[in-house]
Amino acid sequence: QQQVKQSPQSLIVQKGGISIINCAYENTAFDYFPWYQQFPGKGPALLIAIRPDVSEKKEGRFTISFNKSAKQFSLHIMDSQPGDSATYFCAARTNAGKSTFGDGTTLTVKP
Amino acid sequence: EAGVAQSPRYKIIEKRQSVAFWCNPISGHATLYWYQQILGQGPKLLIQFQNNGVVDDSQLPKDRFSAERLKGVDSTLKIQPAKLEDSAVYLCASSPSGQGSSPLHFGNGTRLTVT
Repeated sequence: QQQVKQSPQSLIVQKGGISIINCAYENTAFDYFPWYQQFPGKGPALLIAIRPDVSEKKEGRFTISFNKSAKQFSLHIMDSQPGDSATYFCAARTNAGKSTFGDGTTLTVKP
Repeated sequence: EAGVAQSPRYKIIEKRQSVAFWCNPISGHATLYWYQQILGQGPKLLIQFQNNGVVDDSQLPKDRFSAERLKGVDSTLKIQPAKLEDSAVYLCASSPSGQGSSPLHFGNGTRLTVT
C-alpha cells in the first residue's frame, strides 16, 4: 500500500512560470513533510520541509502549502528556471525518523 | 562538511552472485539509513541504524540482504544471492539524530545492475 501519492509524474513549464507538485498521505503518524530535489546521478537533497502545525512555508522561490484536514501538501516553485529541471520527491516522516517517499515528479523548465 | 560517501559508484553482476556496498556517513551523525531506489520510483527504506543498533529493518529482504554498522560509523550492505529485481540505486543517508525533523543527507548512491 503506497502511503504517499505524488502527482503529476512529469511536468513541463516555461521559464518564469509556476511549477506545482502535489502529494497526499494516509498515515496520521507522519509529522514532518520534506521535499527533495534530485539531479541525475546524484542523491536526493533536502529542499524545504514543513510541520503539520503550519499551513505554509516559504523559502525563496519555493513554497510548501499544507492542508492537514485533507492530508495533502504541495510544492510551488515560483519563477521556474531551467536550473530547476530535476526530479522532485515529497516525503512524509514519522517522529521516529522513518521516511516514506512519493514516486517523484520530473520537472522540465523550458527556456 | 564532507558529505556521505558511498562506494562503488557502479556495479554490474550476474544473478546469484553476491555484492557489497559501503557507506561512510557524515561525521557525528548517529542515524544511518539504506534506501533502495528503483528506476522511476522514490527511495524505499531498507534499514535504519541508530549508532550501531538496528532501529527498523522491517522492509529488508532478510533472506538475501544483510547490513551492519561497525562501531556506529561506517556501514556495509550486502546482497547474496542477487536477483534481477535487485537492479536499482542503493542510497545511503545519515542524519544527526533519528528524530523526524533531523535532516537527511544522502550520498550519490551505488547503481547496481544484475544481469
